[in-house]
Amino acid sequence: EAGVAQSPRYKIIEKRQSVAFWCNPISGHATLYWYQQILGQGPKLLIQFQNNGVVDDSQLPKDRFSAERLKGVDSTLKIQPAKLEDSAVYLCASSSNHGTANYEQYFGPGTRLTVT
Amino acid sequence: AQSVTQLGSHVSVSEGALVLLRCNYSSSVPPYLFWYVQYPNQGLQLLLKYTTGATLVKGINGFEAEFKKSETSFHLTKPSAHMSDAAEYFCAALRGGYSTLTFGKGTMLLVSP
Repeated sequence: EAGVAQSPRYKIIEKRQSVAFWCNPISGHATLYWYQQILGQGPKLLIQFQNNGVVDDSQLPKDRFSAERLKGVDSTLKIQPAKLEDSAVYLCASSSNHGTANYEQYFGPGTRLTVT
Repeated sequence: AQSVTQLGSHVSVSEGALVLLRCNYSSSVPPYLFWYVQYPNQGLQLLLKYTTGATLVKGINGFEAEFKKSETSFHLTKPSAHMSDAAEYFCAALRGGYSTLTFGKGTMLLVSP
């Protein structure tokens, strides 16, 4: 089966510009996650969707970050305006809702964002 | 709040030597535990997981981990390191009933010939 797809793989922008990342989860996976991974740290959850509803966005900086999953399939994460500290890898993951399989998250390759 | 601590940001071993990567969690309720591996410029790949049952868990690529409740630990081991094992390894914990993973800061495994 196809894995989690993300685009773009790399993005360089100047501070105060806006940027958007796209994620397509594994087919049939109801839950989708966006993580931020700063260099030297483990991934930190930004937002979790169950189908097209938000389950957890407690760590999402809502003044500049937004995310949507309108049809319950693919998702977009946006940053507007970007700050230098947003430089990181943004990882998308998905999981199934069936039994213990819903504890396994499958990760995409990530988008490396550099803000100058 | 739950936390995951990985001892050592870098671990160096020789090819063929034992690999031991340490992970401790802080939780009064034993969580579900995971080890992920991340190769350069790639996403995270699940190595193994502990949910319930047998405390010694075997994963892919010859890795295994043992859940020790008394020590709140979930250390990752491999009897003989291979050059292809060089990567960053993340330990993660998940509270039962929730699907939010808490990750450690990661340990970079370096393998020398």
